[in-house]
Amino acid sequence: QVNLQQSGAALVKPGASVKMSCKTSGYPFTGYWVSWVKQSLGESLEWIGEIYPNSGTPNFNEKFKGKATLTVDKSTSTAYMELSRLTSEDSAIYYCSRRNSRGPGFAFWGQGTLVTVSS
Amino acid sequence: DTLLTQSPTLAVSPGERVSISCRASEGVSSYMHWYQQKPGQRPKFLIYEVSNLASGVSARFSGSGSGTDFTLTIDPVGADDTATYFCQQSWNDPRTFGGGTKLELK
Repeated sequence: QVNLQQSGAALVKPGASVKMSCKTSGYPFTGYWVSWVKQSLGESLEWIGEIYPNSGTPNFNEKFKGKATLTVDKSTSTAYMELSRLTSEDSAIYYCSRRNSRGPGFAFWGQGTLVTVSS
Repeated sequence: DTLLTQSPTLAVSPGERVSISCRASEGVSSYMHWYQQKPGQRPKFLIYEVSNLASGVSARFSGSGSGTDFTLTIDPVGADDTATYFCQQSWNDPRTFGGGTKLELK
C-alpha cells in the first residue's frame, strides 16, 4: 500500500535552515507529483509546492519561492524539502502528500514533520 | 489567490444530516475537493472533483456544488465524524484550502 514516511521533529534556531524528508513506498515514485503542505498550529493548510520526481521539475506557490527548495532522490524514492532563513512564522507541521491516482486532490499524506523555530 | 470561506464551527446531533459549505472568491470549475482532519492526525482525503468519493470513504459522505458554492454532506452523522473539514481548490494557482469547519456533536 502507498506510504509516505516523514522525518522526525526538528528544533532549529532563527536564521538557520532545515531539511526534511518524505520516503515513499508502495507505488512508482517517478510517476506522481509530490506536494508539500504547511499547517501552522491551529491553522488551516497552505500548499507550498510540488515536484515531479521523474524530471525533478518543481512548481511553487509564489509565497514560498525563495523559502522552500524541493528535491528528490529517485534511488531511494524520497522527496526532500529544505526551508531556509527560518523565522518563528515557519514554525508549523509540514506534510508531504501524493496526488490522487484517479484525478486531482491529495490522496495520500505523510504523518507530518513538526518544525519549531526557537532560540 | 482564491479565497475559500467556510463556517468555523457546526454542531449537530448524532443521526442527523449535516451540510458543510465552502464558498470560493472566484470560479473553480469542478476542481473542489474535501478532507477530514482529526486532532493530531494527518488530513484524510474524502472527495475529489466536487462529488467523487475517494477510495475507502464511507458513502455517508457526499459532495455537491458548482462554480463558487460547494457543499460536503454527511448523512447520517456519527460520533466518529467529529473532526475539522477542509475544502481545497486546484483550478486556480496556487492551490488553496479553506479555513476549515470544526464539526462538533451535541
